[in-house]
Amino acid sequence: EVGLVESGGGLVQPGGSLRLSCVVSGFTFGSYEMNWVRQAPEKGLEWVAYISSSGGTIQYADSVKGRFTISRDNAKSSLYLQMNSLRVDDTAVYYCLRVDWPWGQGTLVTVSS
Amino acid sequence: QAVLTQPSSLSASPGASASLTCTLRSGFNLGAYRIYWYQQKPGSPPRYLLRYRSDSDKQQGSGVPSRFSGSKDASANAWILFISGLQSEDEADYYCMTWHSSAYVFGAGTKVTVL
Repeated sequence: EVGLVESGGGLVQPGGSLRLSCVVSGFTFGSYEMNWVRQAPEKGLEWVAYISSSGGTIQYADSVKGRFTISRDNAKSSLYLQMNSLRVDDTAVYYCLRVDWPWGQGTLVTVSS
Repeated sequence: QAVLTQPSSLSASPGASASLTCTLRSGFNLGAYRIYWYQQKPGSPPRYLLRYRSDSDKQQGSGVPSRFSGSKDASANAWILFISGLQSEDEADYYCMTWHSSAYVFGAGTKVTVL
């Protein structure tokens, strides 16, 4: 399958952790900046995190700073999002994103007791 | 005040044209930014439409029809997504996005209804 394929979502209790993965094909992954974006049910799009092509520059939305960690493995054409201390309001579909490329299907994260 | 402001909804007839605006917060220079436009239909992930900074710095998404185009209105401090020859399949939510203060920011989206 060509494109972005996210995985790792699921149901987790508040305070729990999940690690999302995104495998990329169709372009030279190591040459591009990447992001994670999420969409809560019936809501708009929210940017979550950014990582430069080398991984040397990282930025987070205030809503996830200190709880989420973005990383990448260019040798594996893969992007990751480690999510700790999850809250109910983190419930959303999470997408990995190259800003000028077709989106993947996303992976659903549900935080609930 | 939000960084990017979009009207919540827009209605138009099939075959008509539609101009979707994305207004940058007052005090910031439109020319310093690159805007991205995405289309999202119910139950589907967003689709990349195009990128626009100026007429000489723009990119159409792969497979995106030329009836979708980008521009800007400096007097309104706003970017415009123009859709010509509206079709029923254009009924969707449209989001703008830009990089601002070390973060990407989305507009709240415009729901386009083709009557």
